[in-house]
Amino acid sequence: GENVEQHPSTLSVQEGDSAVIKCTYSDSASNYFPWYKQELGKRPQLIIDIRSNVGEKKDQRIAVTLNKTAKHFSLHITETQPEDSAVYFCAAADTAGFQKLVFGTGTRLLVSP
Amino acid sequence: KAGVTQTPRYLIKTRGQQVTLSCSPISGHRSVSWYQQTPGQGLQFLFEYFSETQRNKGNFPGRFSGRQFSNSRSEMNVSTLELGDSALYLCASSLARGVDGYTFGSGTRLTVV
Repeated sequence: GENVEQHPSTLSVQEGDSAVIKCTYSDSASNYFPWYKQELGKRPQLIIDIRSNVGEKKDQRIAVTLNKTAKHFSLHITETQPEDSAVYFCAAADTAGFQKLVFGTGTRLLVSP
Repeated sequence: KAGVTQTPRYLIKTRGQQVTLSCSPISGHRSVSWYQQTPGQGLQFLFEYFSETQRNKGNFPGRFSGRQFSNSRSEMNVSTLELGDSALYLCASSLARGVDGYTFGSGTRLTVV
């Protein structure tokens, strides 16, 4: 079945640095790739998503890139701030098929002031 | 507008008991999906309901079941609880079928002792 690998599992950066989280998916039919941020004790919140017909998408300090050939997608956060500290999950879905998200294992991002 | 509401927030149950969790979607949202979140297995899809019908089911035993009512509210039931069922159970609602635009609730944390 579909599998999504996510790296690294933990990432520590200094405030103002950039952070990059990478995911790889296995199902070539996947065409929707959201990223969720989950703060401790809170619900996962969608921060950005990308579809397979787009290679890159930006929203202020956050960007996502997709390489369909390599089945890779990445989250880029620039000018990190302490409030960016959270667990980030990537996910993949085939929106024409089984309507479910397959999640990566999460990356704990710690931004130190 | 109100978000996705899950009740109760916390539950402690004994092995062998059964439990029912509730999810009220965002007003107007007709699709409700359930996910289990554990430290070991991460976020895993349980089922999707749309128009009072289960549309998809994940790879969980038959002890896990659910239903959706005409007002789109959904309940999830777990019978004969096992220690391994301890988890955060999240529901997500969306306007139509599918994973697009998922909004997650804050979850119900179930502890089985």
